[in-house]
Amino acid sequence: QQQVKQSPQSLIVQKGGISIINCAYENTAFDYFPWYQQFPGKGPALLIAIRPDVSEKKEGRFTISFNKSAKQFSLHIMDSQPGDSATYFCAASPGTASKLTFGTGTRLQVTL
Amino acid sequence: NAGVTQTPKFQVLKTGQSMTLQCAQDMNHEYMSWYRQDPGMGLRLIHYSVGAGITDQGEVPNGYNVSRSTTEDFPLRLLSAAPSQTSVYFCASINPSGRRAFFGQGTRLTVV
Repeated sequence: QQQVKQSPQSLIVQKGGISIINCAYENTAFDYFPWYQQFPGKGPALLIAIRPDVSEKKEGRFTISFNKSAKQFSLHIMDSQPGDSATYFCAASPGTASKLTFGTGTRLQVTL
Repeated sequence: NAGVTQTPKFQVLKTGQSMTLQCAQDMNHEYMSWYRQDPGMGLRLIHYSVGAGITDQGEVPNGYNVSRSTTEDFPLRLLSAAPSQTSVYFCASINPSGRRAFFGQGTRLTVV
């Protein structure tokens, strides 16, 4: 049973465009929602995270939108760059990040 | 400051063989976790630890053992390797606030 559903599986965006990745969760005990970025051959690296007491968090070109009632959250990458081409994972956990449940990943390609 | 170090980076095992994947962190974090990453499935939690001497099972623990005798090390043991354990394994160390996981570079394991 996939507790965190992520879409789309892959995404192609032109340079300067907006990339949007969506996730939905089922477990209402989740209270920490991070996004990870992974380049080929590397481990995932934390990009940005949000807690359910806020509806939006922005860090540079990256924004998380969170809808607690719908149990959905999304990552927006503004002004997408070729260097953003990577696989992105949403995740969720109850409490600490020691027990993360990951989505299945979105492979983003930013074209020139 | 090396962060999270995993060894080996690559390994090929024959069915039935045993081996230990090593994970060491130099950040003095209490929480550590092991994940496996398979195509189309994201990362799945195998085992985690909240401190020396304390471990617990994650989502997919069967076929794996862990122990935590020191804060720095969290080895993952495959008792009798099976082709279904072919995967990329990631170790993570979580900071004291419990909100940020630092991942190693991964171990790519093939069981033939």
